[in-house]
Formats: sequence, structure tokens, C-alpha cells
Amino acid sequence: QKEVEQNSGPLSVPEGAIASLNCTYSDRGSQSFFWYRQYSGKSPELIMSIYSNGDKEDGRFTAQLNKASQYVSLLIRDSQPSDSATYLCAVNINSGTYKYIFGTGTRLKVLA
Amino acid sequence: EPEVTQTPSHQVTQMGQEVILRCVPISNHLYFYWYRQILGQKVEFLVSFYNNEISEKSEIFDDQFSVERPDGSNFTLKIRSTKLEDSAMYFCASSEVQGLNYGYTFGSGTRLTVV
Repeated sequence: QKEVEQNSGPLSVPEGAIASLNCTYSDRGSQSFFWYRQYSGKSPELIMSIYSNGDKEDGRFTAQLNKASQYVSLLIRDSQPSDSATYLCAVNINSGTYKYIFGTGTRLKVLA
Repeated sequence: EPEVTQTPSHQVTQMGQEVILRCVPISNHLYFYWYRQILGQKVEFLVSFYNNEISEKSEIFDDQFSVERPDGSNFTLKIRSTKLEDSAMYFCASSEVQGLNYGYTFGSGTRLTVV
């Protein structure tokens, strides 16, 4: 069974701090990795994708991938109350059809 | 920004009834997906669809479910003989291409409540 694991949280950080969200996956053949943000009752919204080892930055967001450790993370700099949401890690497990396996998500609370 | 549109936003149905959930993917997208999310649980893959046929389906997607692209713009999910456990948010998603760096765009979802 191919799994994607995330700490469900909540992760509470003060406004302006760095939030660090982590995700591990079981399938070594996984090729690409995505972070989605989901507000309560809403649909997932794509934040970032990454498929090469290392860091990828986009504005206040940095995704980090370590395939050897089967670990992907998302850093949010200068966290804002509007960043409070559930962050979903999604993994493309190389099924040929680019289906995703999602983690349960980590709930982030940014405290003003 | 282009959107994936889903209707209705909320559907209440009696157990045993059939429902059709509708989606209008982004116009130049070629790959379509249905996912569902039971309240408080993970987003789960149901089915992927390309070139007017199912590419892959999950164990959840049994004979109770079917998908169709009836007219070149709509993409529908039909659930026959609904059960209480079918209650969930159903998300349609689409992508222009399939590749390592291309994520889906999700629709706003249909909340299905089976009573």
C-alpha cells in the first residue's frame, strides 16, 4: 500500500515566523510532489510542485525534496494569519496516469 | 484565471437514488479526474479520464460509478444506487498536460449528502 504521511497538527506559529510542514512517502518510484492548501470546506489549491532533489522557491514558499530519505517539506516564510489552512502533500506515484496519493494534511494556525 | 466549474455545490439525495455530478474542466485541458474527500479524511483518487476513456480507476470506483464526457465540455460522475457512505465532497480536476511539474486544477467541489 503506497502511503503519504503527514503530521495532522495543528501546527501553531506566530505571525511572521517560518512554518515548516513535513511529508514522507513510501513509494521510492514516486516522481513528483505537490503541496496544496485547503481552507475548511473548500477545494485544494496548488501552491507548489517539485520533482528534483533540493530546494525550490516561489515567493514566501520553499519546497524541499530529499528522495533518498523519501521526504518532502514546505517552508512558509513570514507566515500570515491568512496562511491558516490545511496543507496537503500529494505524490505522483508513477502509475502512468499521474494520479495523486494525498496525505491527511497538516493543519496550520498562524497566530496574530 | 481559468476555473474548473462544478455543479451543484451541494446535493442531498435519498439512499438508493442515482446522482449525477457535473464538471466543466478548463477548456484546453485534456486530462480529467474525480477525487473524493469524506469529512475529516484524505482526498482519495477515484478515476482518471483521457481521450474519452478511463485511464485508471481506484478500488473505490466500482460498478456503482461511471464517468462520461457527453458533449466535449462537460465531464460527469454518475453514482447509481447511492449509499450512506458515499456522502463526501467530490472534486473534479483537470490538467492541460501530464508531466512531472504539472499539477491539477481542482474545481470547487460538490458536497454529496446521502440520507
